[in-house]
Amino acid sequence: GENVEQHPSTLSVQEGDSAVIKCTYSDSASNYFPWYKQELGKGPQLIIDIRSNVGEKKDQRIAVTLNKTAKHFSLHITETQPEDSAVYFCAASGAGGSYIPTFGRGTSLIVHP
Amino acid sequence: DAGITQSPRYKITETGRQVTLMCHQTWSHSYMFWYRQDLGHGLRLIYYSAAADITDKGEVPDGYVVSRSKTENFPLTLESATRSQTSVYFCASSKTSFSETQYFGPGTRLLVL
Repeated sequence: GENVEQHPSTLSVQEGDSAVIKCTYSDSASNYFPWYKQELGKGPQLIIDIRSNVGEKKDQRIAVTLNKTAKHFSLHITETQPEDSAVYFCAASGAGGSYIPTFGRGTSLIVHP
Repeated sequence: DAGITQSPRYKITETGRQVTLMCHQTWSHSYMFWYRQDLGHGLRLIYYSAAADITDKGEVPDGYVVSRSKTENFPLTLESATRSQTSVYFCASSKTSFSETQYFGPGTRLLVL
């Protein structure tokens, strides 16, 4: 089955700095790569996603890049703010019954004011 | 718009007891999922359902049972609770497939003594 590795497990930055979280996946048939943000005491919430036919996607201060050849994708947050502090999860999944969603172990992002 | 709800939000039980966690969604989404979240493991899929009366195992199904007699409900039952099942449980739904946004409930914190 699919294996998703996520790094780093903890990331501490100063307000205004950029943050980058990286994930690798094992199954080349995976074609959907979402990123979720989980605030304390809440369920994860989608912040951005990318499909395998796209190399990069941006939404204001966040962006995701995908390298299908290397099988890795990254989340980039620019001009970080204290409210960006949360746990971020990457995931990989695909079409068809065998490609159930597989999540990374999460990255705890701390943005210091 | 209630979205996706879980009950109870907190539960304490004893080893060997049967426990049922409830999940209800108001969007008529076809797919529903149960995850458990443990420190160091991220989100792991327990069971999923592609439609009413169709369920299948995820990554960690042992000790759990699910049913889906109605599209909007997807209860998870721990037949004989064990301490290793102490965790936070999240229910999620997606509209038509694995390859799209999952909407998560607020979670149920379960403690097995």
